[in-house]
Amino acid sequence: EAQVTQNPRYLITVTGKKLTVTCSQNMNHEYMSWYRQDPGLGLRQIYYSMNVEVTDKGDVPEGYKVSRKEKRNFPLILESPSPNQTSLYFCASSLTGINYGYTFGSGTRLTVV
Amino acid sequence: AQKITQTQPGMFVQEKEAVTLDCTYDTSDQSYGLFWYKQPSSGEMIFLIYQGSYDEQNATEGRYSLNFQKARKSANLVISASQLGDSAMYFCAMREGFSGRGSTLGRLYFGRGTQLTVWP
Repeated sequence: EAQVTQNPRYLITVTGKKLTVTCSQNMNHEYMSWYRQDPGLGLRQIYYSMNVEVTDKGDVPEGYKVSRKEKRNFPLILESPSPNQTSLYFCASSLTGINYGYTFGSGTRLTVV
Repeated sequence: AQKITQTQPGMFVQEKEAVTLDCTYDTSDQSYGLFWYKQPSSGEMIFLIYQGSYDEQNATEGRYSLNFQKARKSANLVISASQLGDSAMYFCAMREGFSGRGSTLGRLYFGRGTQLTVWP
């Protein structure tokens, strides 16, 4: 089944404890992206990747890191999480082109206390 | 300026009635794609419908149709014969062909969403 697999689904952590949210897609998509969703703000892009070893910042990259060492994987790293990073996170992938929408992962609900 | 504007934070509709969710967009590109996604309370993002900027006919997918008015830069979602299961958050999104800044190529811009409630 074509899908984006994101883990974990739920995570509660403490301020400053490094964490990684994994994202993997099995569709050979070039484009991958991370979004965070907060009430009233919609989805805001954190980072994206056009292909292996090609990543760039989105609208809200502060406090996050990403890497794209393999085409299928695009992990999101929070080196020192803070409470303002409490949010719902989505990984998404797609082919490049205007007529391709994203396939989303199931989301990760992160709480930083 | 916002790329996608959804002016209705919340909408209510009675079961079996039709409802229109508004979306306007801002782009200087000639080539772009417009999308609608549904997010039920369980949280997943579900693709509903796509409209290309060069498509002359409005897109339809079952009970969903997209009222595309290019000159007005609007891409409203019409849901016919609403069902209780349509209660969800709905997001309008746009993907540009090339913004002039290569780094934004491929990006999907989202609006802030409209919370639709269908009542019996």
